[in-house]
Amino acid sequence: AQSVTQLGSHVSVSEGALVLLRCNYSSSVPPYLFWYVQYPNQGLQLLLKYTSAATLVKGINGFEAEFKKSETSFHLTKPSAHMSDAAEYFCAVRDNYGQNFVFGPGTRLSVLP
Amino acid sequence: EPEVTQTPSHQVTQMGQEVILHCVPISNHLYFYWYRQILGQKVEFLVSFYNNEISEKSEIFDDQFSVERPDGSNFTLKIRSTKLEDSAMYFCASSETDREVEPQHFGDGTRLSIL
Repeated sequence: AQSVTQLGSHVSVSEGALVLLRCNYSSSVPPYLFWYVQYPNQGLQLLLKYTSAATLVKGINGFEAEFKKSETSFHLTKPSAHMSDAAEYFCAVRDNYGQNFVFGPGTRLSVLP
Repeated sequence: EPEVTQTPSHQVTQMGQEVILHCVPISNHLYFYWYRQILGQKVEFLVSFYNNEISEKSEIFDDQFSVERPDGSNFTLKIRSTKLEDSAMYFCASSETDREVEPQHFGDGTRLSIL
């Protein structure tokens, strides 16, 4: 079964600083990968997805992620953090054998003024 | 943009009671899902539903759980006899297809508190 790991349960950055949230997947076959964001008291909102069309994927709110097969990674970045980016971020992979998503444990992003 | 809507936003129930969580998926979507997120833990898959039957379920989805699409718009999750450990955020999701590239669209969740 697929799995994803997210290094760092909590990341703090200053406003305007680079955001880097890590995601690694376990699969011998490159999977379809997704990043979701969860703002406080809200559901999961799709940020971006990797579908093998391009290794660098741009999403909403200025986020992007780069798929690196050699590192089995799909890290999420944003050049300049904004206070409104404070949220929980989940990396997810579509299970090979089913329809469901397998989510990583999540990374809580705090943005300091 | 179309949304998945869930009601209620917060449900408080006594242990042992039945609870039904409601979801209205996006209208042209055909695949429906329930996920659970226990406080401080990751989002876990419960069940997927297509063509009026369960297509996949996790080991969490035991005999206490059931899903139903009672009409053309609603998708419900029923827990027959709630336990304290059922306290969690429950998310409904839907997708137009089951293609691997297709994202799932999530509702804002129902927070279920079992007393």
